[in-house]
Amino acid sequence: QKEVEQNSGPLSVPEGAIASLNCTYSDRGSQSFFWYRQYSGKSPELIMFIYSNGDKEDGRFTAQLNKASQYVSLLIRDSQPSDSATYLCAVNRAAGNKLTFGGGTRVLVKP
Amino acid sequence: KAGVTQTPRYLIKTRGQQVTLSCSPISGHRSVSWYQQTPGQGLQFLFEYFSETQRNKGNFPGRFSGRQFSNSRSEMNVSTLELGDSALYLCASSSDYSTGELFFGEGSRLTVL
Repeated sequence: QKEVEQNSGPLSVPEGAIASLNCTYSDRGSQSFFWYRQYSGKSPELIMFIYSNGDKEDGRFTAQLNKASQYVSLLIRDSQPSDSATYLCAVNRAAGNKLTFGGGTRVLVKP
Repeated sequence: KAGVTQTPRYLIKTRGQQVTLSCSPISGHRSVSWYQQTPGQGLQFLFEYFSETQRNKGNFPGRFSGRQFSNSRSEMNVSTLELGDSALYLCASSSDYSTGELFFGEGSRLTVL
């Protein structure tokens, strides 16, 4: 079992719709959770982080965390073609910046 | 504010050789992490340096090493290269230890023949 699991996709979403991405993690000691976006041929960039159970909203993005279920999700509202990318879920267990990444979910937003 | 700078961007080596990759973090950032990205294994943590000290290390063989200088610039070295070391090596800087908020460079793409 991988430490951080994501559906590889592709997740095909019509423009303007909501894209829902899921991530599960195995280490109950995980403390902080991140979503990175990676465009093809580019390096990852941080879009959201969440530390506490519940929802966190930032613009069109909402991260949701449920530590009891070891589940973190990302919602992208009003999806745009520019949101087409691979979304990487990452968790951090303890001190430092040692992140464990999932394999990523490829999202395709169709006009 | 300049981003994370990695050099070289592309390099080709043969098995058995060694390689040194360089990373200059964002000005003021003190933590530098290195990750390896491959199609099969995804993004995997190599090591993290903070205040010139290695603070964390991933599950890679001892052929992979690194260091950080007093100006926070970092280098990683891979000795006795193997075909499986072909990958994109990403450097990430962070303002401090334990933020998880990483700013990645463009990467150094290593091909081992």
